[in-house]
Amino acid sequence: NAGVTQTPKFQVLKTGQSMTLQCAQDMNHEYMSWYRQDPGMGLRLIHYSVGAGITDQGEVPNGYNVSRSTTEDFPLRLLSAAPSQTSVYFCASSSGPRVGNQPQHFGDGTRLSIL
Amino acid sequence: GNSVTQMEGPVTLSEEAFLTINCTYTATGYPSLFWYVQYPGEGLQLLLKATKADDKGSNKGFEATYRKETTSFHLEKGSVQVSDSAVYFCALRSQGAQKLVFGQGTRLTINP
Repeated sequence: NAGVTQTPKFQVLKTGQSMTLQCAQDMNHEYMSWYRQDPGMGLRLIHYSVGAGITDQGEVPNGYNVSRSTTEDFPLRLLSAAPSQTSVYFCASSSGPRVGNQPQHFGDGTRLSIL
Repeated sequence: GNSVTQMEGPVTLSEEAFLTINCTYTATGYPSLFWYVQYPGEGLQLLLKATKADDKGSNKGFEATYRKETTSFHLEKGSVQVSDSAVYFCALRSQGAQKLVFGQGTRLTINP
């Protein structure tokens, strides 16, 4: 019963490098989202998707890209990493509104440091 | 826009003390309200929820009541344990939406 799986758990990058944070869920959830967690600021929504082929911007989308080619996967791409993107990143999923008010399930997070 | 405000942390209590973590919100309509807990090194877990006014969510000895008149959803526990040490997040979800809006989190430390 994997739930939401994020990889890697830790990553150190140099400024300007690119990378992709992976997120996969095995619950057939329609809704997936990416948050970043910074001290004293709670979790802020980066991008979200209401289903395969559909993505939209959240509160802090700049510097990040997403795609949703399958129901299971929702990768987050940093095209040119900046120190301001040092954070802990969480992926979450939930069943869609057609099945009611279901809570979101979170992955264990990816701790990313940009030097 | 929608927002959630939690009491500033960190909060430090002794074991068996009474806990209250305040949470107030701003939203149109009738949002759903949640408390999530994050233990060290882990992701967020749903602790409890309430979906309409006067609903009381409860789990693991924690309780919170959805108060529409005061736009609040305060978290309470009558007797805390060392194992309750974690960061607690209050969150809301607007009607018909899936996006969550989080408060800034409150770090709770329980000393034996």
